[in-house]
Amino acid sequence: EPEVTQTPSHQVTQMGQEVILRCVPISNHLYFYWYRQILGQKVEFLVSFYNNEISEKSEIFDDQFSVERPDGSNFTLKIRSTKLEDSAMYFCASSEELAGVGEQFFGPGTRLTVL
Amino acid sequence: AQSVTQPDIHITVSEGASLELRCNYSYGATPYLFWYVQSPGQGLQLLLKYFSGDTLVQGIKGFEAEFKRSQSSFNLRKPSVHWSDAAEYFCAVGINRDDKIIFGKGTRLHILP
Repeated sequence: EPEVTQTPSHQVTQMGQEVILRCVPISNHLYFYWYRQILGQKVEFLVSFYNNEISEKSEIFDDQFSVERPDGSNFTLKIRSTKLEDSAMYFCASSEELAGVGEQFFGPGTRLTVL
Repeated sequence: AQSVTQPDIHITVSEGASLELRCNYSYGATPYLFWYVQSPGQGLQLLLKYFSGDTLVQGIKGFEAEFKRSQSSFNLRKPSVHWSDAAEYFCAVGINRDDKIIFGKGTRLHILP
């Protein structure tokens, strides 16, 4: 069964460093998403991506964040200068249709720890 | 603003007992409703979804949920839980024309042998 994969499973970085979280969505999906979950809190929407551009982003997704689909298979989330409060589990998701209509398939997540 | 409330952070039930996890949402129109499950070290798996029609929705793993518009609720139920059901359960709302879903804080289910 096709699935969304994410690498690495755990990333530890120093404050101020850049990190790139990688995702491989399901191959025929068109819509891509990043969510995050700070420990003990709810899963929060960060950004959605369709047709090679951001379709919606939350207030969390500030200038320190960027997304890219560099090669037609990977979907990446970059944090330019990490802060302590960026420590969280980051989930990638993909879907064939818009979130309100179709099912989003989630990856297993990348746990980011900022020291 | 749209929101999802799961009032129970932890629930413990005995294996074989029935289960109900509560979910309330805040949204002006009829939303699209989801329940996801997350096992340790795993991603979020969709259990079931409600878009329209029959308000009682059947999902995978023997779960069902009932949409009650008057109560703005979408509670998840299972008649008899198994030890493998121990996980975190998230209720979520999808907003038409918006390209995201909004999650509740989750309910962690513990199963007693």
